[in-house]
Amino acid sequence: AQKITQTQPGMFVQEKEAVTLDCTYDTSDQSYGLFWYKQPSSGEMIFLIYQGSYDEQNATEGRYSLNFQKARKSANLVISASQLGDSAMYFCAMRPPSGGSYIPTFGRGTSLIVHP
Amino acid sequence: DAGVTQSPTHLIKTRGQQVTLRCSPKSGHDTVSWYQQALGQGPQFIFQYYEEEERQRGNFPDRFSGHQFPNYSSELNVNALLLGDSALYLCASSSLLLDWDGELFFGEGSRLTVL
Repeated sequence: AQKITQTQPGMFVQEKEAVTLDCTYDTSDQSYGLFWYKQPSSGEMIFLIYQGSYDEQNATEGRYSLNFQKARKSANLVISASQLGDSAMYFCAMRPPSGGSYIPTFGRGTSLIVHP
Repeated sequence: DAGVTQSPTHLIKTRGQQVTLRCSPKSGHDTVSWYQQALGQGPQFIFQYYEEEERQRGNFPDRFSGHQFPNYSSELNVNALLLGDSALYLCASSSLLLDWDGELFFGEGSRLTVL
């Protein structure tokens, strides 16, 4: 069974500063995928970034980077230069190694509020 | 290119009633998954449909059923509604022909309130 833990129910950050959202996971699989999604108040889950368990380099997508520490089983999301539009819920998720059968397990989420 | 569309966006039902939620997948996608997201929680997997059949199912009772049509659109039906069924119901589409890199696309959800 896979489990995702997000221990920060809420985070606050000043505009233009960087923020790290924590995510730890538990799995017995050797191959897996880790994701971060953003959910604004509209409800839609927006894909941000993906990290494969065998990827040696940390994933980056624009202002988003994933700090992947496999031995610690952590996959923290780093948002650089925060913007007001970054205020939303953020979910960490894990997918098992079953190509095409994408059934991710989600954490409980972290609410991020960006202050001007 | 239209993304995933869901209807209705909001609805209110009373206990014991039945509800049908609808989802049209992103163009080119053939697989639809449904999730329930209670307030303050992450999405929980309900079931997945491919080729008009239920392929996988999460830990949800038989009151939750679904259907996929030949055009890949899908319905989620919930019978004998309980107060605890109040949640945001998310539909996600993907393509089984793609490897993981075919990311999962979500709709904006249907917010169900059961009174």
